[in-house]
Amino acid sequence: NAGVMQNPRHLVRRRGQEARLRCSPMKGHSHVYWYRQLPEEGLKFMVYLQKENIIDESGMPKERFSAEFPKEGPSILRIQQVVRGDSAAYFCASSPRVSEYQETQYFGPGTRLLVL
Amino acid sequence: EDQVTQSPEALRLQEGESSSLNCSYTVSGLRGLFWYRQDPGKGPEFLFTLYSAGEEKEKERLKATLTKKESFLHITAPKPEDSATYLCAVGKYSGAGSYQLTFGKGTKLSVIP
Repeated sequence: NAGVMQNPRHLVRRRGQEARLRCSPMKGHSHVYWYRQLPEEGLKFMVYLQKENIIDESGMPKERFSAEFPKEGPSILRIQQVVRGDSAAYFCASSPRVSEYQETQYFGPGTRLLVL
Repeated sequence: EDQVTQSPEALRLQEGESSSLNCSYTVSGLRGLFWYRQDPGKGPEFLFTLYSAGEEKEKERLKATLTKKESFLHITAPKPEDSATYLCAVGKYSGAGSYQLTFGKGTKLSVIP
């Protein structure tokens, strides 16, 4: 049973370029979360998606960042016109949401973005 | 604002030397306290979920406990392969309908042979 998959594992972009990060959830999981981990900081929630719906994007910067989870294919986190401050590790997590009171999120290996 | 504080930031143990990691939290509407292990260059690996004060869970040399204000991760007779960063997170439902995890910065554990 494959875990959460993310690609690419490492991504280098120059300032002003676009970064596209992909996440395939675990089989049977329909809930996807994106987190960002800045150097020396804890993981921070960015966005929560279900198939074809953005449920909560309260942790995502208002500009340049967007996310989607189409009916077919992986979830995509897109960062337009990247700046050096976007350099971080981006993690995707998925969950089956067993019930309102029990939910465990399983994380992928992350994409390490470096902006030159 | 929800806060999760882990201590110590770093811990060096001799192989076989038992110890505990602390996670203190302030959060309204707690729906789960999580422990993850993170190795360098990898994603967090799920260890435990605790839902109510007094609950305990064990896995090999690790035991997690929960009170109303904090959680402890006890490591008994650690081995070098237990070296990693241990992350604590609290879960709650946001007003927007998502289940968000708020993470601490982690405790970096090094076990020396």
